[in-house]
This record gives sequence, structure tokens and C-alpha cells, in this order.
Amino acid sequence: GAVVSQHPSRVICKSGTSVKIECRSLDFQATTMFWYRQFPKQSLMLMATSNEGSKATYEQGVEKDKFLINHASLTLSTLTVTSAHPEDSSFYICSAHPGPIETQYFGPGTRLLVL
Amino acid sequence: GENVEQHPSTLSVQEGDSAVIKCTYSDSASNYFPWYKQELGKGPQLIIDIRSNVGEKKDQRIAVTLNKTAKHFSLHITETQPEDSAVYFCAAGMEYGNKLVFGAGTILRVKS
Repeated sequence: GAVVSQHPSRVICKSGTSVKIECRSLDFQATTMFWYRQFPKQSLMLMATSNEGSKATYEQGVEKDKFLINHASLTLSTLTVTSAHPEDSSFYICSAHPGPIETQYFGPGTRLLVL
Repeated sequence: GENVEQHPSTLSVQEGDSAVIKCTYSDSASNYFPWYKQELGKGPQLIIDIRSNVGEKKDQRIAVTLNKTAKHFSLHITETQPEDSAVYFCAAGMEYGNKLVFGAGTILRVKS
């Protein structure tokens, strides 16, 4: 149990285009999902907390207008990188939280390369 | 806010030896401490976690100890195997659904 999927696993796009990444909890409902960014050989940095039915909470320094988050259902959150630039190239990972005293379960990650 | 420091950054051990990774945290309110293993190109996988009402937890070759007074916790892997080679992250946070703060990670290499 507690499986989280992400789609796509990797994406290459041109500078200036937008990219949508999906995060799904496959066998549980998640009122809270988290989005992280990980640069090579670095730790996970939290970008935002996604709450079902309400606006996401962004960490300091993360542009909410550039990284759009939609948590439309209890099993799906999406991250859209708008007007992507090469510096947005990174490994984006989501996690989902089954309940108040449960740990976070991570998706497999999405590798984004902006040319 | 919470700050988590993790040491060492890299660790090389011989197959069969033990490996120990240590983390310290700053926020005394943190009460949940998971450890994750991340293989290249994959998302982190939970390997063990501990809550603040427990001082030690063990799962086969893996154990975690917590010292709340000193605000540090450690991961112990015994009888290491080549497949244990990966990046290990500690994290600290609040138990009830709040965000986790991650350490910088430790690259563990098990030499056969």
C-alpha cells in the first residue's frame, strides 16, 4: 500500500513553454500533498504544500505564479511550471500524506530539462 | 524554523561492516524523525521512522536512535550489503501532517 505515482517520469521542453506534472496517490486518499525540487547532488527542498480544495501554501522564495499547484481531488495534485527556463531544470518530487499521523510517501520523481 | 544537519556527507564501508549516520535538529517541537533511502533517479523511500515518545526502534538490519535532550538522532545499518549503497536522508518535523525538513544527505558506498 501507500503508492504514489508521478507522470511524466521525464520531460524535455523548450524555454518559454509550460509543463504540467501529475502526482497521484494510488491506494489512499491524501488531503495533503507536498511538492519538492531536488538539484543534482543536493537535498530535497520543499516548494509548496498542496491542500485539497484550497490554495497551496508556498515556501519562501518560491514564485506562486510560476509554479501553479492544483489539488483538485483527494488523489491528484498537479504542478505546472509556467514559462519554463533552463534554470527550472531539476528533479521534481511529490509526496502524499495518508492521514494525520502517517508519514509522507514519495513519488518516483519527474526529471525536467528545459532547453 | 527547523534546521537539520546531517553527517557525514559520504561514507564508505566494507561489506558486512556497520554504517552510522547522524543528524541533529534545532526545533525542540519536532517530534517525528523519518529516514529515507534514495537511489539514483528515483524518489526517496521510507526505511524507518521514529516518534519522540520512543528512544530506539529496530527493523531487521536497520535501527534508529533518538536523543531528545541533545536533539540528535542516528541511523544504524548493520551487516551492510552492496545493495545498501544509496543516498540516505534524515528529516525532522511535526507528526500531524506538517512539513518535513531534510538533512543534506549521506552518500553510502558499500564495497564488496
